[in-house]
Amino acid sequence: GAGVSQSPSNKVTEKGKDVELRCDPISGHTALYWYRQSLGQGLEFLIYFQGNSAPDKSGLPSDRFSAERTGGSVSTLTIQRTQQEDSAVYLCASSSRGGEYEQYFGPGTRLTVT
Amino acid sequence: GENVEQHPSTLSVQEGDSAVIKCTYSDSASNYFPWYKQELGKRPQLIIDIRSNVGEKKDQRIAVTLNKTAKHFSLHITETQPEDSAVYFCAATPEKGGGFKTIFGAGTRLFVKA
Repeated sequence: GAGVSQSPSNKVTEKGKDVELRCDPISGHTALYWYRQSLGQGLEFLIYFQGNSAPDKSGLPSDRFSAERTGGSVSTLTIQRTQQEDSAVYLCASSSRGGEYEQYFGPGTRLTVT
Repeated sequence: GENVEQHPSTLSVQEGDSAVIKCTYSDSASNYFPWYKQELGKRPQLIIDIRSNVGEKKDQRIAVTLNKTAKHFSLHITETQPEDSAVYFCAATPEKGGGFKTIFGAGTRLFVKA
């Protein structure tokens, strides 16, 4: 079956502009995660959705970052007023039931803020 | 807050030798410990995981050990091959508010020299 997909694969934006990143999880997966990976660095947790529960937003670095998940499926990560330090690869992952099960990662969106 | 420390950051071994990567975690409520492998330019993929009711798990050349008392777990790769060269991430899943987010270590870059 289809894996996790993300769009766009690459995004170049000017400082101060808003961007939206999209994630399509594996069908039926109730858990969805967003991570940020800077060049050569680890996976920084951003936000976690599990079913109909309130999302865990504890990893969002500032109030410029927000995410939503509509209908328990597709998720959008929005970064407002982008800064150069936001440049990174944004990875989405989904899991069949939650944090105690394998996460399947998407290919990522490479964001470059000029 | 929750934290996962991973060592070493870089590891270079000769083909056929063993490689060991160690992680410690801070939240004693964590009960699921996956390891992901990320090859250059690719997405992370699960290679092995262990749950807190098990002290050791093995899958061919890969094994993971867990010491819950010490909050310490390790990845062991035997008979290393050049295709094992990648970045390896450990992770722990602390429970918060009924959900299980995942906290990743900073990663270990493994080089296997032929």
